[in-house]
Order: sequence, then structure tokens, then C-alpha cells
Amino acid sequence: EAAVTQSPRNKVTVTGGNVTLSCRQTNSHNYMYWYRQDTGHGLRLIHYSYGAGNLQIGDVPDGYKATRTTQEDFFLLLELASPSQTSLYFCASRGDWGSAETLYFGSGTRLTVL
Amino acid sequence: GQQVQQSPASLVLQEGENAELQCNFSSTATQLQWFYQSPGGSLVSLLSNPSGTKHTGRLTSTTVTKERRSSLHISSSQTTDSGTYLCAPPGALLSGSFNKLTFGAGTRLAVCP
Repeated sequence: EAAVTQSPRNKVTVTGGNVTLSCRQTNSHNYMYWYRQDTGHGLRLIHYSYGAGNLQIGDVPDGYKATRTTQEDFFLLLELASPSQTSLYFCASRGDWGSAETLYFGSGTRLTVL
Repeated sequence: GQQVQQSPASLVLQEGENAELQCNFSSTATQLQWFYQSPGGSLVSLLSNPSGTKHTGRLTSTTVTKERRSSLHISSSQTTDSGTYLCAPPGALLSGSFNKLTFGAGTRLAVCP
């Protein structure tokens, strides 16, 4: 079974704080994604990557940086956190499109910015 | 980019009733996927259906690619089916956004005993 692990599960910070969300997948997948989920908006794509050192811009990238350090690890960085970034964050991975390759999600990180 | 509309926004059923969920999208899509989000928040893939009809267990998905719509039918609903159902088509193949999955806001289903 494909595995995606996110840490921390919960995080509270203050406005202007520095936050790093971590994601590790052990699926040997090329693609990794960061989404945020807010009531009424569903899942919105922040950044994604198709391999170590690669970064692609998603649909709501403002205020976020991301870095893919290895095939397994994808980090989301909030350097000056704002209350509008309070959200539930999901990481996901998948292989290349082929025979109905799907997304595998982590358990999510709930971030609160005070 | 891809726009996704799901309907209804919410649905309440008695156990044993059937559910029909709709997903409409703006750009021709392949590999359209349906996901389930539990009340606790975990997300899992239900099935992938680029076109035609696909069955898995009590779930049937029908995608009409030309009309840019997909449906998910849940038969004989159970209380454990309660949660949110999300559809996610990727971007158009030639648009450069093929590897981006865009999610709809979801249909929240509650099945009462």
C-alpha cells in the first residue's frame, strides 16, 4: 500500500512566524503535490513537483514556497505566516499517468496562524 | 484552467437509498478520478474513470467526456458511506496543466440509519 506521511499533524504559530510542513512518500512516485483545504473551496493546489529539484506553480501559490529535496521528500514553507493561511494542508503523491494512476494522500496537517 | 462544479452540495439519505452525484468540468479531461473524504478528514481514491461506465462494489461511475460530465452512483447506501465525495479531472492534455488535478468543492453525503 502506498504511503505518504505528513508532519506535524497540528501546528500553531503566530502571524509573521516561520513554518515548515514536511511530506515523505515511500512509493517511488515522481509527482508530489501540496494542497490546502478550506470550507467552501475544496482542495486547492499550492505547488507540485515531478522530481528532486523540480518545482511547479499551482493555483494558489502566493505566500508559499516549496522544495523537493529528494524523490521522497517535499516541503512546504511559510516564511511570514498570515491568518489567511490557517487551513488544512494535504500532501499527495502519484506515479506517472499510465493505467489510471491515482493520488495517494497523507493524513493532513492542520495549521493555525494566530 | 480547469473549472469543476459538483452537485448537489449536500445530500441526506436514509440507509438503503441510492445516491447520484454529479461532476461537471470545463476542459476535456482524461483520467477523471473520484475521491472520498471521511468525516475525520482522510482522503482515499474511489475510482478512476476517463470515459464510459465503471463499477466497483456498490459504486458506478459514468463519464461522458464530450459533454464534460461524470456521475457517481452509490447503491444501497450505508451509514459508513457518510462523508464528502470529490471529483478531480486533470487539466487539458495540451494545456501544460495535464499533471494538475483540480478538485471540485465536493458533495457532502449523510446517510441516516
